[in-house]
Amino acid sequence: EDQVTQSPEALRLQEGESSSLNCSYTVSGLRGLFWYRQDPGKGPEFLFTLYSAGEEKEKERLKATLTKKESFLHITAPKPEDSATYLCAVPHGSGNTGKLIFGQGTTLQVKP
Amino acid sequence: NAGVTQTPKFRILKIGQSMTLQCTQDMNHNYMYWYRQDPGMGLKLIYYSVGAGITDKGEVPNGYNVSRSTTEDFPLRLELAAPSQTSVYFCASRAAGGSLGEQYFGPGTRLTVT
Repeated sequence: EDQVTQSPEALRLQEGESSSLNCSYTVSGLRGLFWYRQDPGKGPEFLFTLYSAGEEKEKERLKATLTKKESFLHITAPKPEDSATYLCAVPHGSGNTGKLIFGQGTTLQVKP
Repeated sequence: NAGVTQTPKFRILKIGQSMTLQCTQDMNHNYMYWYRQDPGMGLKLIYYSVGAGITDKGEVPNGYNVSRSTTEDFPLRLELAAPSQTSVYFCASRAAGGSLGEQYFGPGTRLTVT
């Protein structure tokens, strides 16, 4: 059964304190792993797509990496505006439908 | 572009009432999706559509219905509302040929059933 698990559930950092969020997945035939950012009271916003082990994507203070079993979202020198819930997801089933399975998310709080 | 818009933003229903959640996108996307998000949980797919006139069930379709008569609109119908349908509902769309996960989400509808 396809499954996505994120850890930790919540993370509190001081401004400038770098850390990583984890997304573990179990899926037959990975066809991409996706990261989203969700601000309170808003819909998720797409961040990255990763397709193969060893691939990396960067955006400002965020860097996403992928292995055969998990993905990491590294946050370097975070700022309070990076506070949000970060979701990862993988495609479910065959075809091009775009059905996704989401993890439960990691809520990041960055204190000034 | 307004992107994906949803109405209403908030709604309170009594048990057994019905309602339609509206979703419209102006990006000419073929694919559209309805998700629900419960506290501390990830998003669960309710229904999806690959184009006008074509819809299919997702992970949690019971108690819901959809239709897709135009490319732009994808309404979600709740019949006989139950407390278990208290949730935040998100509509999303995706371009054909794009990344499977590059979905654009609306702002959500917060629904409470009492």
